[in-house]
Amino acid sequence: QSALTQPASVSGSPGQSITISCTGTDNDVGGHDHVSWYQHSPGKAPQLLIFDVTKRPSGVSNRFSGSKSGNTASLTISGLQAEDAADYYCSSYRATNTYVFGRGTKVSVL
Amino acid sequence: QMQLVQSGAEVKQPGSSLKVSCKASGGTFITSAITWVRLAPGQGLEWMGSIIPLFNRANYAQNFHDRLTFTADESTGTAYMELSSLGSEDTAVYFCAGGDWFREPDYYHCPMDVWGQGTTVSVSS
Repeated sequence: QSALTQPASVSGSPGQSITISCTGTDNDVGGHDHVSWYQHSPGKAPQLLIFDVTKRPSGVSNRFSGSKSGNTASLTISGLQAEDAADYYCSSYRATNTYVFGRGTKVSVL
Repeated sequence: QMQLVQSGAEVKQPGSSLKVSCKASGGTFITSAITWVRLAPGQGLEWMGSIIPLFNRANYAQNFHDRLTFTADESTGTAYMELSSLGSEDTAVYFCAGGDWFREPDYYHCPMDVWGQGTTVSVSS
């Protein structure tokens, strides 16, 4: 079960915007809109940031936004803050009746 | 909003079985799907499968080769994950995640909206 492709790491300075990509296939990211993004810090539970490609749960900062083009989904963090340093994972429904995660992207704030 | 509380850390012998619980509170267990995810050292999140307690319907990731069983007790709002024939590669933090399921044209979508705190499992002789 191959994982979605994410960059291993992305970094930015405070206040900048960064974008994390998540590339799959027609069977997952490209063919379904149940794409989500999660933030995870060591020792904590992952937190849902984005669901259904672009939707933000209540309580999640509007600095986080999602999009999709073809087989690639993206998470943009605008106005980067020190507290955004964490691991970020995308996930997608994959036909049939399974879900798949990306390998994770470590975000560093310089 | 639903909250999920998992059972405590475990140390297991190779070849033994593991059972982790995930108790839901503050939400409606009967409308929820529970998904199990693990995070092994140096690896990324791995989807293990999901269960919809209302239907007792489960889907499992193929790479667990029939070692995995999900169950749910609606009377207590608790889901369970049982993994047999443990090996060192099963050392990981195991998470449950939940959300209200809904029907798509050809599958039941199981959102991972809220997560448990994780259960650390070490498999070692």
